[in-house]
Amino acid sequence: NAGVTQTPKFQVLKTGQSMTLQCAQDMNHEYMSWYRQDPGMGLRLIHYSVGAGITDQGEVPNGYNVSRSTTEDFPLRLLSAAPSQTSVYFCASSPFSGTGQQPQHFGDGTRLSIL
Amino acid sequence: GQNIDQPTEMTATEGAIVQINCTYQTSGFNGLFWYQQHAGEAPTFLSYNVLDGLEEKGRFSSFLSRSKGYSYLLLKELQMKDSASYLCAVIKAAGNKLTFGGGTRVLVKP
Repeated sequence: NAGVTQTPKFQVLKTGQSMTLQCAQDMNHEYMSWYRQDPGMGLRLIHYSVGAGITDQGEVPNGYNVSRSTTEDFPLRLLSAAPSQTSVYFCASSPFSGTGQQPQHFGDGTRLSIL
Repeated sequence: GQNIDQPTEMTATEGAIVQINCTYQTSGFNGLFWYQQHAGEAPTFLSYNVLDGLEEKGRFSSFLSRSKGYSYLLLKELQMKDSASYLCAVIKAAGNKLTFGGGTRVLVKP
C-alpha cells in the first residue's frame, strides 16, 4: 500500500519558471490538501479539495493553482516561481468527514528551491 | 482567525517525562490533532481530542480543555527515538481544514 506519493522529492528552479508538483494517493480518500512548511512557521494550507472537481483556497494560495480531475491525483502548479516559494511542500489526504475528524496521511514532501 | 501557540523547543532526558503545551484561539472548534515529525520526514498522526479530558495511547497521552483553549501532549518514558518535532493542529467546525502551530522540537538526551 503506497499511501500518498509525491514527486519529485527535490527540485531547483530559476525565478520565473513554472512547474507542477505531483501528488497521488491510493486509499480512495476524498479529501486532499497541499501545505508548505517553512522554519518556525509550521505547516500552512495552500489549497485543498473535498472531492474530484472541487477545490478551494487555503491560507496561502497566491502563486499556486490546483486541479482535481480524479480522486487519486491532486497536482500543485507554481505559475511563475519566486524565491519566497522556496519551501518544503507536503501533500496530505484523508477520508472526508463533515466534522473533520479523520487524521490526514502525509506524503514524504517535495523540497523546492527557487534561485 | 486562529492562533495556535506552542513552545519552540524543549530538552529532556531519556526515561523522563515531557509535557508539550498548546494553546489556541479559534472562531470554531471541532477537534485538535497532535502529529509527530522526525527531521526530514513527513508528519505522522499521534492523537485526536474533541472532548475534554485525557486520551492515552501507550507512552503518549493527550489532554484537551475546550473552555481554556488548551491542550497538552505528554510523552512518558522518553526514548532517544522520540527526538522529533511535535505539531499541534486545530480543525474548525466545518470541513477538514487543519491549522497548525509552529511545532515544538523535542531533544532527548542520554
